[in-house]
Amino acid sequence: NAGVTQTPKFQVLKTGQSMTLQCAQDMNHEYMSWYRQDPGMGLRLIHYSVGAGITDQGEVPNGYNVSRSTTEDFPLRLLSAAPSQTSVYFCASSGTGVHSTEAFFGQGTRLTVV
Amino acid sequence: LAKTTQPISMDSYEGQEVNITCSHNNIATNDYITWYQQFPSQGPRFIIQGYKTKVTNEVASLFIPADRKSSTLSLPRVSLSDTAVYYCLMGSSYKLIFGSGTRLLVRP
Repeated sequence: NAGVTQTPKFQVLKTGQSMTLQCAQDMNHEYMSWYRQDPGMGLRLIHYSVGAGITDQGEVPNGYNVSRSTTEDFPLRLLSAAPSQTSVYFCASSGTGVHSTEAFFGQGTRLTVV
Repeated sequence: LAKTTQPISMDSYEGQEVNITCSHNNIATNDYITWYQQFPSQGPRFIIQGYKTKVTNEVASLFIPADRKSSTLSLPRVSLSDTAVYYCLMGSSYKLIFGSGTRLLVRP
């Protein structure tokens, strides 16, 4: 099993460009989430999904869109990139085990907006 | 969801036991306490979770007093490879709320 796979690993965008960060998991997990991590900081939740067709906003959703058409994939779209969105983006997935707080994270996408 | 409070950094030496304490005064009745580890340029990795008393796995122990307003992660006999950031947090597995974490540096 590959676990959680994020692509690309690195990306440079110009201000105003749009792009999609891909996230796929092969563990048949119901839950998936997107986080961003700025230098020296903890992760902040952007959007999350508790199942196909269901998404909701996290702490910092502005400037990002998500959709969940399949259990496996949870892409994150940047609508119009801004320098403030320069960050490392992590996708995570988790199962529906009772009381489980264990999430599996991808290796991250390092995004630079110039 | 409430954030937790942890020391910003800690230093230790190889072979020592390290205890990292976390404060969570506003913990809800149904919240579990969870600890994650993060190495540079990697995503966080789950270490342990608990509700009350003591939980132990092959990596660490977690001590939670009866009032549940704090918890302590115990790492036995740390090695250089345990140098990382450790996060104490609460929340559902899909809605984790991270603080700034504790940077643990293990010296030879």
